[in-house]
Amino acid sequence: QKEVEQDPGPLSVPEGAIVSLNCTYSNSAFQYFMWYRQYSRKGPELLMYTYSSGNKEDGRFTAQVDKSSKYISLFIRDSQPSDSATYLCAMKGGYQKVTFGTGTKLQVIP
Amino acid sequence: DTAVSQTPKYLVTQMGNDKSIKCEQNLGHDTMYWYKQDSKKFLKIMFSYNNKELIINETVPNRFSPKSPDKAHLNLHINSLELGDSAVYFCASSQDITGPQYFGPGTRLTVL
Repeated sequence: QKEVEQDPGPLSVPEGAIVSLNCTYSNSAFQYFMWYRQYSRKGPELLMYTYSSGNKEDGRFTAQVDKSSKYISLFIRDSQPSDSATYLCAMKGGYQKVTFGTGTKLQVIP
Repeated sequence: DTAVSQTPKYLVTQMGNDKSIKCEQNLGHDTMYWYKQDSKKFLKIMFSYNNKELIINETVPNRFSPKSPDKAHLNLHINSLELGDSAVYFCASSQDITGPQYFGPGTRLTVL
């Protein structure tokens, strides 16, 4: 079993839809959780950074962490064609290295 | 612009050659990283330096040698390049070893 599982997609949604992206993990030592967006042929861009359980909102993006279920989510409201990209979840525990998911490819159709 | 920058952006070379990739960050961060992203987009850490000291050295062939002349720079030298080294290499930095990482634009290495 991989430490971090992420559905590779692709996920296609119509413009304006609410998008839900998810990752599960097995390492209970993970404390820091991140979401990155990566456009084709570009570097990963940090979207959200959260510590421990709970919700964090930034504009159209909401990150949720449920440590009891070992499950994290990223919600995108009012999705736009410019949101089309690969979304990577990432997590780490304290001084450990970051472990990335394999990424979910999202396409928002106008 | 405050950012993580890498040079070159593209690198095409023959098998057996030696090449270097340079990385610079002007974010004032203490920690820098090298990642390899394969054709399936999986990001795998290779090395990490904190205040010029090597702190993470994953199972990477010793043909790969990182060098950190100062906190703002982390270079990657690759000897005797092989076909399997073809990938995109990303440099990243973070405030410290617990902070979120910020990535550079990547160097696309193609070994022929």
